[in-house]
Amino acid sequence: AQKVTQAQTEISVVEKEDVTLDCVYETRDTTYYLFWYKQPPSGELVFLIRRNSFDEQNEISGRYSWNFQKSTSSFNFTITASQVVDSAVYFCALTSSGAGSYQLTFGKGTKLSVIP
Amino acid sequence: DTAVSQTPKYLVTQMGNDKSIKCEQNLGHDTMYWYKQDSKKFLKIMFSYNNKELIINETVPNRFSPKSPDKAHLNLHINSLELGDSAVYFCASSPEFNTQYFGPGTRLTVL
Repeated sequence: AQKVTQAQTEISVVEKEDVTLDCVYETRDTTYYLFWYKQPPSGELVFLIRRNSFDEQNEISGRYSWNFQKSTSSFNFTITASQVVDSAVYFCALTSSGAGSYQLTFGKGTKLSVIP
Repeated sequence: DTAVSQTPKYLVTQMGNDKSIKCEQNLGHDTMYWYKQDSKKFLKIMFSYNNKELIINETVPNRFSPKSPDKAHLNLHINSLELGDSAVYFCASSPEFNTQYFGPGTRLTVL
């Protein structure tokens, strides 16, 4: 069975602070994919990043960066110099062939509040 | 322009009624999905549909039935609605084995 754990339920930071959202996953498959999605207060789910299990390179996109470490089964997400528009619920998710048609298993989400 | 669309955005109905939510994608994807997001924001897969093969999540009551008239559409029909069905339902699509793109969600309220 697959599992994604986001231990941080809610985080509050002051604008311009850096913040890291943690994600730990479990899977028996050797080929799998990890994702982060953002759900702003408006409710839609916005895709942020996809990483496959064979690519452990960290990725940076503007103020966003992701740290994938297979040794600790973690895929953490850092926002640098946070802004009010970053306030949202962030979901980490996992899929693999073992999941059946590559359906996503989501973590419970981390609600990030950025205070001006 | 819209990639994955859902109608309606809001649905308020009485217990016991039957309702449908429509989903359409114009991305040419092979696979479509339905997810349920409960009041605690937890997202859980309900169904996935790939090239006419339906994969049913066993925890979903059989009052829920997906219907796919063609590759671009996957509708969700719900019979005998119950209070516990109140949630946000998301449709998604993906090229096989790839990133899923979500619709805007349908907020269902059962009174």
